[in-house]
Amino acid sequence: EDKVVQSPLSLVVHEGDTVTLNCSYEVTNFRSLLWYKQEKKAPTFLFMLTSSGIEKKSGRLSSILDKKELFSILNITATQTGDSAIYLCAVYLYGNKLVFGAGTILRVKS
Amino acid sequence: GAGVSQSPRYKVAKRGQDVALRCDPISGHVSLFWYQQALGQGPEFLTYFQNEAQLDKSGLPSDRFFAERPEGSVSTLKIQRTQQEDSAVYLCASSLESGGPSFSTDTQYFGPGTRLTVL
Repeated sequence: EDKVVQSPLSLVVHEGDTVTLNCSYEVTNFRSLLWYKQEKKAPTFLFMLTSSGIEKKSGRLSSILDKKELFSILNITATQTGDSAIYLCAVYLYGNKLVFGAGTILRVKS
Repeated sequence: GAGVSQSPRYKVAKRGQDVALRCDPISGHVSLFWYQQALGQGPEFLTYFQNEAQLDKSGLPSDRFFAERPEGSVSTLKIQRTQQEDSAVYLCASSLESGGPSFSTDTQYFGPGTRLTVL
């Protein structure tokens, strides 16, 4: 059975802290890995990763994939209260199915 | 359109009622997906369309769930004889293309969801 596991389940930090969110997966027919941010509405796309070892960066957020060890991390530096959200990791399979983890709930305190 | 839209945003149904949830994908997007998100969980795949063809419905939990996309654009997810366990947020997503040679077209863009509560 295809499985995506995220850790930690939840995290509380103070503004300015750096956080690392983890995503491991066991799937057949891996095509790509995606990160989404979900507030009280639609998940919004952050990154798509297809190749190992190549860091993707957008402002204070960055992500990297390790296809040998089957995991990805999402880093957020200098966190702000607006970063508070659920961060979802999903693996896109050949056959056009997206398998999600349960998410990491991040709360940034001011 | 600017993004994926869904309606209604909230739906309360009595157990046993039928409901219909609508999704308007981004204009020109070939692929459309439905997901069910229970409280505290990640979205779970329900079904997938490429244009008007329903290519995968393996995630539909029972034969009470039915989805269609007759003209390859708007899609409707219908749930018959709703049960309390159907209470969830139903998310729709669209992508330009899925599984094609360019990975950049895989990205799925989500709508705001319909929160269904079955009493």
